[in-house]
Amino acid sequence: AQKITQTQPGMFVQEKEAVTLDCTYDTSDQSYGLFWYKQPSSGEMIFLIYQGSYDEQNATEGRYSLNFQKARKSANLVISASQLGDSAMYFCAMREGPLYNFNKFYFGSGTKLNVKP
Amino acid sequence: GAGVSQSPSNKVTEKGKDVELRCDPISGHTALYWYRQRLGQGLEFLIYFQGNSAPDKSGLPSDRFSAERTGESVSTLTIQRTQQEDSAVYLCASIGPTGTGGSLAGFSSYNEQFFGPGTRLTVL
Repeated sequence: AQKITQTQPGMFVQEKEAVTLDCTYDTSDQSYGLFWYKQPSSGEMIFLIYQGSYDEQNATEGRYSLNFQKARKSANLVISASQLGDSAMYFCAMREGPLYNFNKFYFGSGTKLNVKP
Repeated sequence: GAGVSQSPSNKVTEKGKDVELRCDPISGHTALYWYRQRLGQGLEFLIYFQGNSAPDKSGLPSDRFSAERTGESVSTLTIQRTQQEDSAVYLCASIGPTGTGGSLAGFSSYNEQFFGPGTRLTVL
């Protein structure tokens, strides 16, 4: 089974509007972390936001927030007030196990976001 | 430089040849990860090293793939007898102590991956 599923290959959003990128995950671990990365056309991977499985509040970083629904095993990324520079691929990722140990990361297939002027 | 570097940036090879890809992590970073990214797809975990512990090789797709790392320094990913399906961007990332103290305290020290620019491999 896929550890991370991103069901939206491509999304369009109007500049200044909010957009939600979907991510569901599969794990039987109680301790895990969820991550979102941005990959512009230049290819670099940019870390955006993180949510721990024991965090009770949804993570926020500037215009990014993570809508964490543990029972549904979903970790959707919300980008508010979209900007043209937000056009990129977005990847959801998960690592299992205690977060103060090293472990491998699983990535989804990505969502390509296009912001229209 | 202070970031993760990879070489070569581009590699074109003929089917059946061996290739070596190099990753220089951030100095002092304990963990080093290799990923494969095929065109238009997500990152596929290959292997990770953590200090002097045995590496987690569970993502290597076949015995044609191998990787080495000495201590907390450079890593080399080797692909033997390359096939056309090996064509992809190979990304390296490192994780380690942040801040001036050099300690492993803090979430970032175990979770924040710093990625290199990748090596684009094309197998003809």
